[in-house]
Amino acid sequence: DAEITQSPRHKITETGRQVTLACHQTWNHNNMFWYRQDLGHGLRLIHYSYGVQDTNKGEVSDGYSVSRSNTEDLPLTLESAASSQTSVYFCASSQLAGSADTQYFGPGTRLTVL
Amino acid sequence: AQSVAQPEDQVNVAEGNPLTVKCTYSVSGNPYLFWYVQYPNRGLQFLLKYITGDNLVKGSYGFEAEFNKSQTSFHLKKPSALVSDSALYFCAVRGRNQGGKLIFGQGTELSVKP
Repeated sequence: DAEITQSPRHKITETGRQVTLACHQTWNHNNMFWYRQDLGHGLRLIHYSYGVQDTNKGEVSDGYSVSRSNTEDLPLTLESAASSQTSVYFCASSQLAGSADTQYFGPGTRLTVL
Repeated sequence: AQSVAQPEDQVNVAEGNPLTVKCTYSVSGNPYLFWYVQYPNRGLQFLLKYITGDNLVKGSYGFEAEFNKSQTSFHLKKPSALVSDSALYFCAVRGRNQGGKLIFGQGTELSVKP
């Protein structure tokens, strides 16, 4: 079955370190998204991509970067991790550029920055 | 600016009783509206969406939602709650010219007691 996976599921790192969270989908979806989930804020969009070589900043993109070299993967990199980036991170994908399309979510990565 | 509000952080319901989880939105034009559910330590699962047409939308697990344009609301409902419905529920909105980007509410914790 097609799916969307994230790795690692849990990560503890130190302030200042570079961290990369992986997202892989086997639906062959064009669109991929990264969100962070924090209490009281719901999910906030970090970065998104509408296809290979396309990346865009979301609402809370400072300190994060993404690259899209193929359809299946959208890794999220924290250039220099900060304690404020402790959060649960979700990757999502959708097929079409049309706004009615449903996004499907991965299981999440819980990141702790000490 | 687009926004979504879920006015209740928590909703408590007795098993067998009807439940309502409230959502109001602010977006220019006609929106696409979504409900997702999140079980503990899991990713978000799609429940239902409103695109156009009938204001009552039926979704997974017996849930339905009513779109009310004049009140800019999209409340989630279920006629008879189950203990297994206990979870975190998110409302999300997307404007018709916003590509694939979703704006999420802060979430409502639903607790169904036997």
